[in-house]
Amino acid sequence: QKEVEQNSGPLSVPEGAIASLNCTYSDRGSQSFFWYRQYSGKSPELIMSIYSNGDKEDGRFTAQLNKASQYVSLLIRDSQPSDSATYLCAVRRDQKVTFGTGTKLQVIP
Amino acid sequence: DGGITQSPKYLFRKEGQNVTLSCEQNLNHDAMYWYRQDPGQGLRLIYYSQIVNDFQKGDIAEGYSVSREKKESFPLTVTSAQKNPTAFYLCASTQGQDYTEAFFGQGTRLTVV
Repeated sequence: QKEVEQNSGPLSVPEGAIASLNCTYSDRGSQSFFWYRQYSGKSPELIMSIYSNGDKEDGRFTAQLNKASQYVSLLIRDSQPSDSATYLCAVRRDQKVTFGTGTKLQVIP
Repeated sequence: DGGITQSPKYLFRKEGQNVTLSCEQNLNHDAMYWYRQDPGQGLRLIYYSQIVNDFQKGDIAEGYSVSREKKESFPLTVTSAQKNPTAFYLCASTQGQDYTEAFFGQGTRLTVV
């Protein structure tokens, strides 16, 4: 079982729709959770971080965490073509940060 | 400006050669990391270091070596033992606290010729 699992996609959504990205993790001792966006050939940039169960909203982005189910998700409202990228889920326990393989999102104009 | 600097941006290596990728940070972060990314893939952890003169193997350490002689620097050597080194290499750092995110350098694209 991979430590952090994501559906590779591509996930295609029309412009203006809600994109839903999901991630599961295996280590119940994981302490903090992150979503990164990565454009082709570039380094990842942080979108959201979440540490406790529930929802966290920042602009068009909402991160959701359910530690009992070992599940973290990212919702992108009013999706824009510029949101087209690969979204990486990352999980941290102590000093080790582990990434999933990423989900490629395509927003269709 | 604070940040992480990786150099070079592009690197070509002949088979059988060792090469060293540079990573320097001026964020005063305690922990530093090296990841490898293959086309269409996620990030795989090679090595990480929590403090100076200490480092731990990640998931794919074979064929790589690191050192952490200074807090600011965490160079990665790709040795000739790494049979498939062509990839995009990313260096990252975090503060010492458990809940902080990783900041990334711009990456080094290594190609074996």
